[in-house]
Amino acid sequence: DAGVTQSPTHLIKTRGQQVTLRCSPKSGHDTVSWYQQALGQGPQFIFQYYEEEERQRGNFPDRFSGHQFPNYSSELNVNALLLGDSALYLCASSLTGTNVLTFGAGSRLTVL
Amino acid sequence: KQEVTQIPAALSVPEGENLVLNCSFTDSAIYNLQWFRQDPGKGLTSLLLIQSSQREQTSGRLNASLDKSSGRSTLYIAASQPGDSATYLCAVKRNTGTASKLTFGTGTRLQVTL
Repeated sequence: DAGVTQSPTHLIKTRGQQVTLRCSPKSGHDTVSWYQQALGQGPQFIFQYYEEEERQRGNFPDRFSGHQFPNYSSELNVNALLLGDSALYLCASSLTGTNVLTFGAGSRLTVL
Repeated sequence: KQEVTQIPAALSVPEGENLVLNCSFTDSAIYNLQWFRQDPGKGLTSLLLIQSSQREQTSGRLNASLDKSSGRSTLYIAASQPGDSATYLCAVKRNTGTASKLTFGTGTRLQVTL
């Protein structure tokens, strides 16, 4: 049973560029959440998607946007990249109404 | 605004020792609290989940306690092993249902030496 799959695992961008990160949830899960984890910090909630809509959002600017597809997979887009966007981006999936989150291994973004 | 603090930030112990990791949170109106393990550069693995109505949960050598009224949780690791070396994160959830975000602490980096 495949868990949460994220791609790419690592990527390097320059300031001002745009990036798209992808997440395939665990089989049977319908909700996807995205978190940003800066080096040495705990993960920070970005947003959550359910039924292809953003259901909840953390304290992140509009440069961060997302999408959920009918097959429950999700994308995180970040525009106008800043050096401070360098982080590990974690995707977590769950089945709505349950408490258990399954995390992916993350996508490590470096902005130069 | 919920704030989660973990003490100590780093801990080194010899193999075989029992140890306690601490987590405190400012808003006691939580739905549950989870402890996660994170290996370097990796994602998170859930270790234990305690509902707000529970006092503790156990899994193998791990025991997590929750005192909601005082805003504290502890993770007890018995007979530590080098394979326990990782960062341990606690996270609280405010509301019921998956629409509620997790608020994480900054973690305790544990090293178990031979």
